[in-house]
Amino acid sequence: GAGVSQSPRYKVAKRGQDVALRCDPISGHVSLFWYQQALGQGPEFLTYFQNEAQLDKSGLPSDRFFAERPEGSVSTLKIQRTQQEDSAVYLCASSLAGSPRGNTIYFGEGSWLTVV
Amino acid sequence: RKEVEQDPGPFNVPEGATVAFNCTYSNSASQSFFWYRQDCRKEPKLLMSVYSSGNEDGRFTAQLNRASQYISLLIRDSKLSDSATYLCVVKGTGGYQKVTFGIGTKLQVIP
Repeated sequence: GAGVSQSPRYKVAKRGQDVALRCDPISGHVSLFWYQQALGQGPEFLTYFQNEAQLDKSGLPSDRFFAERPEGSVSTLKIQRTQQEDSAVYLCASSLAGSPRGNTIYFGEGSWLTVV
Repeated sequence: RKEVEQDPGPFNVPEGATVAFNCTYSNSASQSFFWYRQDCRKEPKLLMSVYSSGNEDGRFTAQLNRASQYISLLIRDSKLSDSATYLCVVKGTGGYQKVTFGIGTKLQVIP
């Protein structure tokens, strides 16, 4: 498709389980962002990739969170030993970058994670 | 101080009213500014970019004040369909343009 694609759309995980969330950005987009959005809050930055390079991971809340983008396209956000406070929507976004027109950030529909 | 601050609202306004939202940002080197709209349980979608000269798109007007480090969104003749959360977005500068969101301002347009 033409947009940012995320999977799974919904995930229920038992506390302590590992989860992996996938993001397929718009083809050709250099920049890829992961955000965490809790209910009633704005999206909180987690990490940023420029192609395959992870330039900023300062927003990852703990070492249980890990993200990769090995070939500069698809990205995976992995959460190990999930906790209830990890329950949120995880939004992936991409942008073309490198030009004023490249500034627009496009979001996927999000992966809704519930930890029980 | 948060990098991007918004009043979360909610703003409850009657149909046809004019409503304005402000957003302040802390990094004076920020380069790009946007308003995004987010409907309940949906992803954020770009409403409009914000330029220094101000810009208008139909009933929506966005303004940027670099000296005071705030951006604004004005909605005229509010429609029921305008009910949503409006997110202020600030993009950084340099080789890595970090994108930071405000908490969002909730608007409810009442019949």
